This record gives sequence, C-alpha cells and structure tokens, in this order.
Amino acid sequence: GENVEQHPSTLSVQEGDSAVIKCTYSDSASNYFPWYKQELGKRPQLIIDIRSNVGEKKDQRIAVTLNKTAKHFSLHITETQPEDSAVYFCAWVGTSYGKLTFGQGTILTVHP
Amino acid sequence: NAGVMQNPRHLVRRRGQEARLRCSPMKGHSHVYWYRQLPEEGLKFMVYLQKENIIDESGMPKERFSAEFPKEGPSILRIQQVVRGDSAAYFCASPPEGGSTDTQYFGPGTRLTVL
Repeated sequence: GENVEQHPSTLSVQEGDSAVIKCTYSDSASNYFPWYKQELGKRPQLIIDIRSNVGEKKDQRIAVTLNKTAKHFSLHITETQPEDSAVYFCAWVGTSYGKLTFGQGTILTVHP
Repeated sequence: NAGVMQNPRHLVRRRGQEARLRCSPMKGHSHVYWYRQLPEEGLKFMVYLQKENIIDESGMPKERFSAEFPKEGPSILRIQQVVRGDSAAYFCASPPEGGSTDTQYFGPGTRLTVL
C-alpha cells in the first residue's frame, strides 16, 4: 500500500535547539522524497528534497537523510528559530507519474 | 511558488451548488496535480492531468468530482452538488519550467467553504 508514517505529530523545542522529524514509507520503488513546510493558511512550500541515489543532502540549517534499506528518511533542522514554526510534511513519489503521497504532518513550535 | 496560479482564493457555496476551481501551472509546463487538504489534515492526491488528458484520477471521489485541462486555458476542478464535507483547501501543483515532474510547486490554494 501507499503509506507514509510521520513522527512525531507535534514537536516543541527551544530556539537554538535541533529538531528531527522522521518518516517511514512502504513502497520500495520510491525514488524521490521531498519535504514541505506549511504555515497557517498558506501553501505547502518545498524546502528540501532527496533522491534515492543519495544518502544525505544539506541546505544551510536544513538536512535530509535517507535510509533505503530501512525505508525511512528524516528532516533535520539545526539552530531552530521561531520562524521555523510551521507544519512539516514529508512525501514520497513511487512509480506513479510523480504523484505525491504525504505524511500526516508534524506541528513544529519553536519557543523564543 | 508564485508561478502556479489558482483562483478564486476563497469560494463560498451553499449545499447543492457547483464549485469551479481553476489552476494555471508554471509557465511552459503542461502538468497539473490537484490535492485536497481537509481541515487540520494532510494533503491527499486527487488527480494528475496533462493538456487534454487525465493521466491518473485514482484519488478522485467517484461521484460529483471531475477535472479537465483543455488545450487552451487553465485546468478546472469541478465539484457538483457540493456538500459540507467538501469544505477544504484545494491545491494544485506543477513542476518548474524544465524540471522533473517529481518536483512540485504548489499554488496558493482555493479555500472552499460549503454552507
């Protein structure tokens, strides 16, 4: 089936701490794994993505790691800031025409 | 990304009316994905279209919902005889110009409220 399990559902950290969100997927044919950030009332915004031929990708304070054997991938945010507060969604694409399957979302709150 | 256009941004309908949502993809692209986000939930795939063709409609409800992407003009998601449960944010997404179809940028969404 097409499932993505995302944990935790809520995450509260102090400014400057790191935040990690993990997703587990089911389709071994999956080859593309994006992460989206969605602020209240706004559109999902692509923040980072990774393809299956790469184990890790970093962009400033954000990094994504992929473990294809275990079928999980994680978002890492370092030196969190209050403006990082949002809902984060993982997603994956299998073999079906670029269709995205999303995780349930993680509400991240960064306290100043 | 600002390149994906949707209108209207907000739409209010009474039960039984029709709702028409429009989406124009990124410039130079002819691929459109529609997703629905129910209140306080994640996004669910509905349909994938290319110009004049429905490629994958596996996420579309069997009744009352239809989508098209004509040769000229935007893609349209049509909901007939709306019910309260149709209230949601409807997003379309498109790959960037020259980009892989995997990479999808979302439009601002249409927030449908059914009274």
